[in-house]
Amino acid sequence: AQRVTQPEKLLSVFKGAPVELKCNYSYSGSPELFWYVQYSRQRLQLLLRHISRESIKGFTADLNKGETSFHLKKPFAQEEDSAMYYCALKRGGGADGLTFGKGTHLIIQP
Amino acid sequence: DAGITQSPRYKITETGRQVTLMCHQTWSHSYMFWYRQDLGHGLRLIYYSAAADITDKGEVPDGYVVSRSKTENFPLTLESATRSQTSVYFCASRDTGGAYNEQFFGPGTRLTVL
Repeated sequence: AQRVTQPEKLLSVFKGAPVELKCNYSYSGSPELFWYVQYSRQRLQLLLRHISRESIKGFTADLNKGETSFHLKKPFAQEEDSAMYYCALKRGGGADGLTFGKGTHLIIQP
Repeated sequence: DAGITQSPRYKITETGRQVTLMCHQTWSHSYMFWYRQDLGHGLRLIYYSAAADITDKGEVPDGYVVSRSKTENFPLTLESATRSQTSVYFCASRDTGGAYNEQFFGPGTRLTVL
């Protein structure tokens, strides 16, 4: 069975500092990886997907198949980045849902 | 464009009662999902559906029942609620043709079982 691990429950950094939220996965096949974000009092929304190799709100994430990781990075944190971040995996193909990590609560201090 | 909605947003019930959480989407997405969100567990998949009348179990299906008679609705029923089912429940949907398999989430239903 697949699994997603986010080792940090809470990450606190100062505004302007770099941010890295870690995500490791285990899956024998070829997964699709996502980062979802949940801002306070808002619904869960997609932030990034590995397949599109995009940068959203200054965040990037690179899939490293050798290390089975999909870490989320931002060079300069902003206060509005404070939120709950979830890494998620979808098995390639099929209708089934996502397997989520337990989430990392990111707090950006002024 | 309402997107995906859930009702009720908050519900308090008692152990042993039957509770139904509603989910409605206006996009005609084929896939729909139910997750529960608990502290220390993140989100876990309860059930999912690939189309009307097609449903399948996720990671934590015990104690839950789903149906999907219409594409736009995907109700989740707790047949006999237990305290361990106190949680926040999220419904989500996804298009079959989406290139990136993005799931869109509802606002959630906070359920408390006393």
